[in-house]
Amino acid sequence: AQSVTQLDSQVPVFEEAPVELRCNYSSSVSVYLFWYVQYPNQGLQLLLKYLSGSTLVKGINGFEAEFNKSQTSFHLRKPSVHISDTAEYFCAVSGLSGYSTLTFGKGTMLLVSP
Amino acid sequence: NAGVMQNPRHLVRRRGQEARLRCSPMKGHSHVYWYRQLPEEGLKFMVYLQKENIIDESGMPKERFSAEFPKEGPSILRIQQVVRGDSAAYFCASSPPGNSEQYFGPGTRLTVT
Repeated sequence: AQSVTQLDSQVPVFEEAPVELRCNYSSSVSVYLFWYVQYPNQGLQLLLKYLSGSTLVKGINGFEAEFNKSQTSFHLRKPSVHISDTAEYFCAVSGLSGYSTLTFGKGTMLLVSP
Repeated sequence: NAGVMQNPRHLVRRRGQEARLRCSPMKGHSHVYWYRQLPEEGLKFMVYLQKENIIDESGMPKERFSAEFPKEGPSILRIQQVVRGDSAAYFCASSPPGNSEQYFGPGTRLTVT
């Protein structure tokens, strides 16, 4: 079984400040890792994913995340946020083999203010 | 290439009625997943289907819920005799065979009054 913990339900930040959204996971097997963004009343859009290789993954909209196997973490970062980054961010994991249902964290609401 | 399509986007049902949610996967995608998002919660897996087959329904409530993905047409998530606790956003995702990435639709927001 897998689980995902997003430690912060809400992260307020000022525009142009850096931000880190935390994600820890638990799994007895190796996993793929994902970050999705959900704008109000919309579906989920994939920001980035870690499948293998370099542990630093770059995604869309200037976001990046680093996979840390020893700490079972996959924190999302952006050096300078915009008002338009205000949204809910979900971390998710899936197994490697066969089909890949996603296990999601509860989400972190990023609130960017001027 | 159109994305994953879901309809209706919003659905209001009275307690005891039936709700039918439709999902058309992306072209070339034969795998469909349904997830439910309750208020203040992340998405929870419900069911995984391939054409004409239910592969994994471990996340489906045992009663009143069913899903299908026929040879022709969209995937349908059906909820019979809805109750207020069924109010949620229901998301469909699709993927091609052998690909780990799922593409999500805009969701159907079900409100039970």
